[in-house]
Amino acid sequence: NAGVTQTPKFQVLKTGQSMTLQCAQDMNHNSMYWYRQDPGMGLRLIYYSASEGTTDKGEVPNGYNVSRLNKREFSLRLESAAPSQTSVYFCASTGELRSPLHFGNGTRLTVT
Amino acid sequence: KQEVTQIPAALSVPEGENLVLNCSFTDSAIYNLQWFRQDPGKGLTSLLLIQSSQREQTSGRLNASLDKSSGRSTLYIAASQPGDSATYLCAPIKSAGNKLTFGGGTRVLVKP
Repeated sequence: NAGVTQTPKFQVLKTGQSMTLQCAQDMNHNSMYWYRQDPGMGLRLIYYSASEGTTDKGEVPNGYNVSRLNKREFSLRLESAAPSQTSVYFCASTGELRSPLHFGNGTRLTVT
Repeated sequence: KQEVTQIPAALSVPEGENLVLNCSFTDSAIYNLQWFRQDPGKGLTSLLLIQSSQREQTSGRLNASLDKSSGRSTLYIAASQPGDSATYLCAPIKSAGNKLTFGGGTRVLVKP
C-alpha cells in the first residue's frame, strides 16, 4: 500500500545545477500538489494540479516548473538551483474536495 | 489571502493530561478544515477532516471542533500518551483549486 512515493529522499546540489523531484501516487487521485517546508515559514504551496493535464501556480512558484505526466505522476523541476531553495519538499494528493490529503515522506534538498 | 495561526507554538504536558490545540484563520469562507500530524523527518498524516457544515468530528481520542463564523478550530486529544508527541498542523481549504493553507503547527511533547 504505497500511497504517495517521492524520490529521491535526499539530494545535495551546487548552485546552478538542475534536478527533477519525482512524485507518484497509486490511489487514482485527481489532484496533486508540491509544497516546501521551511523552519519558521511552515508549509507553502509551490504548484498544484487539480486534474490530469492542468497545472497552476501556488504561493511560491518562482524558480520551479512542474509536469503532470499522467494521472499518477507529478514532477517538480529546479532549472537552476539556488541556496534559497534549500528546503524539504513534499508531494501530496487527494481524490476530491471532501477527502483528506495524503502526503509523501519528503525530499530533503540542500543547495550549496 | 488566508492566514492561519496556531497557538501555542509548543506544548509540554505529563502523560494522561488532555491536550487542547488551537487554530484560527482569517477567511471564514472555507470548504473544510483538516488536522494533520507530523513526526520528525516524516510527511504529514491526516488525522481529521471536518466539513464546513459540521461543528465537530471525532476519531478515537481525538475530537476537532469548527466554528467557521469566528474562524476557529480546536483539536482535543484526550488522555495524552508519549506516542502523541509530534507536531500538529491545521489547514483550512477553500473550494477554488482545492488548495490548503497551513498553520505553523503546535509542537507537542508528552512526558512519561
